[in-house]
Amino acid sequence: DQQVKQNSPSLSVQEGRISILNCDYTNSMFDYFLWYKKYPAEGPTFLISISSIKDKNEDGRFTVFLNKSAKHLSLHIVPSQPGDSAVYFCAANNLFFGTGTRLTVIP
Amino acid sequence: GAGVSQSPSNKVTEKGKDVELRCDPISGHTALYWYRQSLGQGLEFLIYFQGNSAPDKSGLPSDRFSAERTGGSVSTLTIQRTQQEDSAVYLCASSLGQGWGNEQFFGPGTRLTVL
Repeated sequence: DQQVKQNSPSLSVQEGRISILNCDYTNSMFDYFLWYKKYPAEGPTFLISISSIKDKNEDGRFTVFLNKSAKHLSLHIVPSQPGDSAVYFCAANNLFFGTGTRLTVIP
Repeated sequence: GAGVSQSPSNKVTEKGKDVELRCDPISGHTALYWYRQSLGQGLEFLIYFQGNSAPDKSGLPSDRFSAERTGGSVSTLTIQRTQQEDSAVYLCASSLGQGWGNEQFFGPGTRLTVL
């Protein structure tokens, strides 16, 4: 039973535009949510996290929004760059991971 | 600085054989995690070590799976009597200290293929 879900397996965005990746979860007791980025044949790398007591965290081009009442979080990347093309995983408490969204940024 | 390393990078084995996968975490990281990623799936948590505490084995899919962490550093994941459904990429990660929000550093993974 998936406790963290990423319902969009893929997303294509033009370079310079905003990328929005979504994630839903079922357990309201999760304390932290993290986003990881994965290139082929490499392990995931940490991107950004948010504590459940916050609703927004920003780091450069990356912003994560948390809506606890909807049990939903999203990762915004703006402006998107071709090097952002990768698979993005959201995770809750570093134990429960979504199935990933493959982002393709078109030059 | 060295990151998390895993060996072997690829392992092909026959059904019914035992395999051992190794993880060298970043020096000083007290937390170590094992995950696996089957084709088209997300990362599935297997086991978690934190310092000298008893490991959290709640994610191990069967008693054929076991893991050890010696001296708080290197970890070995053992799969006995491998089955074809065990084929996956096995990922190891480490992080500083306890805390569900700590950034994890992942190794490149071991791709296991069971024929």
